[in-house]
Amino acid sequence: NAGVTQTPKFRVLKTGQSMTLLCAQDMNHEYMYWYRQDPGMGLRLIHYSVGEGTTAKGEVPDGYNVSRLKKQNFLLGLESAAPSQTSVYFCASRAAAYNEQFFGPGTRLTVL
Amino acid sequence: GQNIDQPTEMTATEGAIVQINCTYQTSGFNGLFWYQQHAGEAPTFLSYNVLDGLEEKGRFSSFLSRSKGYSYLLLKELQMKDSASYLCAVRRTTDSWGKFQFGAGTQVVVTP
Repeated sequence: NAGVTQTPKFRVLKTGQSMTLLCAQDMNHEYMYWYRQDPGMGLRLIHYSVGEGTTAKGEVPDGYNVSRLKKQNFLLGLESAAPSQTSVYFCASRAAAYNEQFFGPGTRLTVL
Repeated sequence: GQNIDQPTEMTATEGAIVQINCTYQTSGFNGLFWYQQHAGEAPTFLSYNVLDGLEEKGRFSSFLSRSKGYSYLLLKELQMKDSASYLCAVRRTTDSWGKFQFGAGTQVVVTP
């Protein structure tokens, strides 16, 4: 099992550009999450999903959109990147019946 | 508020014991989690407490007092590889999708 994978691992964008981060899990987990992590602020939830076709907003959803067209994939989109979105983005998944979240390796995004 | 508070940094000597405290708002509490995160890596699950008391798992133990809104993670027989950030996270019953709120993390530095 690969667990949770994220692509890309690194990306540099210019202000106003768009991009999509891909998260994939092969554990048949129902729940999937997108977090951002900034120095001194811990992990903050952006969006999450309880199943295929369902998404909901977290603590800091502005400027991001998500889609969960397939159970194993959770996409995070930035329509018009801003320097404030420079961060490390982590995807996580978990089974509905269990508490442990499994995290992907992260995507380091820099917006110039 | 929904603050989760934990110290920013702690330093301890190899072989010693370190206790990392975490306090949180008690409203809607439905579980407390500890994660370990090495620099540049993804968080990994350490422990879960939902009832009062101590949960022991090898060199690591986690304690919970629901009435006080307080938890601690105890690391015994410290090893150099324990140098990492330790994240406290809370789940609340008010969040039907199983959202988790993370603290900013405590950086533990183990010295020889």
